[in-house]
This record gives sequence, C-alpha cells and structure tokens, in this order.
Amino acid sequence: DAGVIQSPRHEVTEMGQEVTLRCKPISGHNSLFWYRQTMMRGLELLIYFNNNVPIDDSGMPEDRFSAKMPNASFSTLKIQPSEPRDSAVYFCASNYMPGGPNTEAFFGQGTRLTVV
Amino acid sequence: GNSVTQMEGPVTLSEEAFLTINCTYTATGYPSLFWYVQYPGEGLQLLLKATKADDKGSNKGFEATYRKETTSFHLEKGSVQVSDSAVYFCALGGNFGNEKLTFGTGTRLTIIP
Repeated sequence: DAGVIQSPRHEVTEMGQEVTLRCKPISGHNSLFWYRQTMMRGLELLIYFNNNVPIDDSGMPEDRFSAKMPNASFSTLKIQPSEPRDSAVYFCASNYMPGGPNTEAFFGQGTRLTVV
Repeated sequence: GNSVTQMEGPVTLSEEAFLTINCTYTATGYPSLFWYVQYPGEGLQLLLKATKADDKGSNKGFEATYRKETTSFHLEKGSVQVSDSAVYFCALGGNFGNEKLTFGTGTRLTIIP
C-alpha cells in the first residue's frame, strides 16, 4: 500500500481565498483523522471520522473550517475564508477501529499551508 | 479523560550520549502506549509500542517500558546519533483500539556531532 496520501504537499494562498486539502487513507482503514501542527500549539486533532461519519469535531477551530468524507477512500478539509493564522502543517492519518490494542495511526506526509 | 504529559524540550545532546525522554499518562483501564517520531519535513511515524503492563517496545536502538505502577512510558536510547535528531511524540490509545490516540506535546531532540 502507498500509505496515506495527502495533496497538495504545499499550498500558498492569499487571505480570504478558499483552501481545500485532500486525503486518501490506507485501503481497509475505517477511521480518518485530521491534525494541525504549529510551533505555538503543537499537534492538534481537528476532527475524526469512523466509517465515514464524523465522530468528534470538537477540535475544529471555527466555522471557517469544514471536513467531509464522502466515501471510505477520500476526505477533504476546507477552509473558507482562509486567514494568515491558519498557516500550519495539516496532517491526515488513518487506522482501523476498533482494531484491538495494536491500533496505531498511520500519517500522511502533510500539507504545508501558508496564507499570506 | 485520557491525557499524556511529555518532557518539554528542546533537548540537545552530543553524539553517543544517553537519551531519556519522559512520558507519563492518565487513563482508565489498560491503554496501549506508543512513541512516534517526526523527522524534518515528514509526517509522524510509529517508532515503538507496548500494549500491556511491563511490555517493552523497542526499535532502532530505542526502548520504552510500559510501567503501570508509575503510569509512565519513558523513551531511552543508550547512544544517540546525529540521525536521531527529530521530534518525538508519546501517545496513548484506547483499551480496545476503539478510541482516538491522545498525543503529548512533542519533544524536539537535536544531536550535535
């Protein structure tokens, strides 16, 4: 398997523009997680899905952020409108839950977002 | 709820020094414990794990022992290399793999030649 695939790897956009980040989880995994990483706040869980259903979106910072998982092999994280403080690295991860005690999450390479 | 407290960084060591990064946790039941590593410009990858008390996870010369009595999972390596420079995250999983992982804040490690 190619692992968790995220696109784009880098995104530079102007303030106020819409940004869409994409993720393809590992085939067979039924849970998908979106994280944001910044120097100030470290690694934050934004939202996670199980069987395509959002389970916990308490980490989504505000209404400008939305996430969807239309099927088991694809998810998007959208920011509209984007702001400079949204600049961060966004990671997608997947695993299978419940999968027993060995259920580690597998991470993608991340999307580095810069909002100018 | 579950939580992980991790040694704050950054940590700077000389090559071949002994490394310890402390991690303690709060959880109910018998969670699984993980250490992840993030190399510059990359995503997190699993370094090692332990699924029950007294288990020792090991990989690439790193070790960590699941200590239920002290609720700890400290990461150790006897002789670090420059290539070990990275950010290390301690994480806690649910009892039956049915909960999301809870991550510590990460510890940045720099090894100087």
